[in-house]
Amino acid sequence: NAGVTQTPKFRVLKTGQSMTLLCAQDMNHEYMYWYRQDPGMGLRLIHYSVGEGTTAKGEVPDGYNVSRLKKQNFLLGLESAAPSQTSVYFCASSRPDWRYGYTFGSGTRLTVV
Amino acid sequence: ELKVEQNPLFLSMQEGKNYTIYCNYSTTSDRLYWYRQDPGKSLESLFVLLSNGAVKQEGRLMASLDTKARLSTLHITAAVHDLSATYFCAVEMNGGSQGNLIFGKGTKLSVKP
Repeated sequence: NAGVTQTPKFRVLKTGQSMTLLCAQDMNHEYMYWYRQDPGMGLRLIHYSVGEGTTAKGEVPDGYNVSRLKKQNFLLGLESAAPSQTSVYFCASSRPDWRYGYTFGSGTRLTVV
Repeated sequence: ELKVEQNPLFLSMQEGKNYTIYCNYSTTSDRLYWYRQDPGKSLESLFVLLSNGAVKQEGRLMASLDTKARLSTLHITAAVHDLSATYFCAVEMNGGSQGNLIFGKGTKLSVKP
């Protein structure tokens, strides 16, 4: 049981390049989330999805797009990367019941130069 | 706007000592989570606190929630080196969307022999 798997684990982009981060979960969770973590801070919610085909904005959505075409996958896209998007990105998933908490992936460390 | 403040942000302890980390939040919530993060790793769920007066214990860690005071504590008993990590509390606002966790900045704990 892999839980939440993120790919890639590391990536360096040049300013203006695009890329997609992939999150896959095998727990049949309805809800999925993308967060970013910057040095000395907690995580901040970028976008989330409460089911296949649905997405919504979180606290810091600008510069990112997401898609949830399959229940088990949640993609985070950067159309034109900026240095301010240098961060560690975490995906998480959960049941539609907060009593069970959230399961996080291992993170993607992204550097934009 | 929900704000979450943790203190202290840095904590250096000797093995065998006790200490408490505090998590204050600014608006009504009865859903609070504690996570542990080791350097370069993902977040590990420690406790899910869902009601006023909730107390949970796991090993040398005990967490409590006082929703009236908008305060959660994470108490460490007889610290050991393996507890060295960064600890985050995260709060979900009542009536807010699931997954919109507001994180504290984290408490970096270092346990020394």
